[in-house]
Amino acid sequence: DAMVIQNPRYQVTQFGKPVTLSCSQTLNHNVMYWYQQKSSQAPKLLFHYYDKDFNNEADTPDNFQSRRPNTSFCFLDIRSPGLGDAAMYLCATSWRTGTTEAFFGQGTRLTVV
Amino acid sequence: GDSVTQMEGPVTLSEEAFLTINCTYTATGYPSLFWYVQYPGEGLQLLLKATKADDKGSNKGFEATYRKETTSFHLEKGSVQVSDSAVYFCALSSTGANSKLTFGKGITLSVRP
Repeated sequence: DAMVIQNPRYQVTQFGKPVTLSCSQTLNHNVMYWYQQKSSQAPKLLFHYYDKDFNNEADTPDNFQSRRPNTSFCFLDIRSPGLGDAAMYLCATSWRTGTTEAFFGQGTRLTVV
Repeated sequence: GDSVTQMEGPVTLSEEAFLTINCTYTATGYPSLFWYVQYPGEGLQLLLKATKADDKGSNKGFEATYRKETTSFHLEKGSVQVSDSAVYFCALSSTGANSKLTFGKGITLSVRP
């Protein structure tokens, strides 16, 4: 029944070692989002795809990249993780932007050692 | 820019107590308003939404009314249960092709038996 699936649930990576988080959806939604959520803070939008169109938030560090090879899958690449990148990463989808609700995955908790 | 302000937490209540969680917003135009809930170890789930002024969203005994005059969307429940223990996020989405969800910081609710 899971509609937005994130893998893995927990990821440990070394300082400076590239890491990729994955998200897949069975909803056939046009929009896929990546949020970063640090402890006791609001989820912060990193970027989103509307179909194949990539929309980067102005304050998202260059260290964060994303790929969407097809409708179902979206990846978050962190090229050189720092200790400050340790967080929960949330993937979400929606039919379109604006008033429609977003469906979230369970998140991937990233630890940087 | 858009912003959402939630009351400071955490909140601890006894079972069957009345709940109010305050939320105010700043946005241009006429945003849609949402409450999301995050249960321990889970992703965010939409609890309720309202898309225009004076709309009331409701779900699982929770209610919130879109008040344009006070730019508020307070969440209420008449009788909380232990199973309502979670983190609650207020969010808005402005209209427009590339609009996005903007979240408040969230508030942790703990309900004692």
